[in-house]
Amino acid sequence: NAGVTQTPKFRVLKTGQSMTLLCAQDMNHEYMYWYRQDPGMGLRLIHYSVGEGTTAKGEVPDGYNVSRLKKQNFLLGLESAAPSQTSVYFCASSWQGGQPQHFGDGTRLSIL
Amino acid sequence: GENVEQHPSTLSVQEGDSAVIKCTYSDSASNYFPWYKQELGKRPQLIIDIRSNVGEKKDQRIAVTLNKTAKHFSLHITETQPEDSAVYFCAASSGTYKYIFGTGTRLKVLA
Repeated sequence: NAGVTQTPKFRVLKTGQSMTLLCAQDMNHEYMYWYRQDPGMGLRLIHYSVGEGTTAKGEVPDGYNVSRLKKQNFLLGLESAAPSQTSVYFCASSWQGGQPQHFGDGTRLSIL
Repeated sequence: GENVEQHPSTLSVQEGDSAVIKCTYSDSASNYFPWYKQELGKRPQLIIDIRSNVGEKKDQRIAVTLNKTAKHFSLHITETQPEDSAVYFCAASSGTYKYIFGTGTRLKVLA
């Protein structure tokens, strides 16, 4: 039982490049989330999903897109990376809203 | 908009002493309050949570208290140990997708 798995763990991109971060959970959770964590700012919600085939914008969605084609996977895409997107990205899942969230190990992303 | 204020931002205590971290939330519809511990370079991990129908919850050396009237909730760690050193985050949820996180408290336990 791996819980929430994120790939990759580290990545360095040049401005304008694109990439996709993958999150997979094996707990059959309905809700999945993408957060970014920046120093002194806590966790901010980028996008979330309340079930397979659904996605919605969170607090800071600009510059990101997501997809949830399968219940266990939640993908975060950066179409044209910008230095302001340098951050640590965490994926999380929960059974429902208002339930304990389980986090992945994070992806440390640097945009040069 | 909704927010959660967390204090202090840093806290240093001597090993064996107690540590208290406080959070205040703004959304009166909040009914679920988790606390996460995040060690350096690691994922946030849930250590304790409380729901609005309960005033206090304990788990060994950690406890959480909730004052719904004042919209305050606090984390209490007793008999602190060096391995308690980490960043602690509080959060508040109204039962939807939204979890509002505090900005974190860096706890240092001095041996």
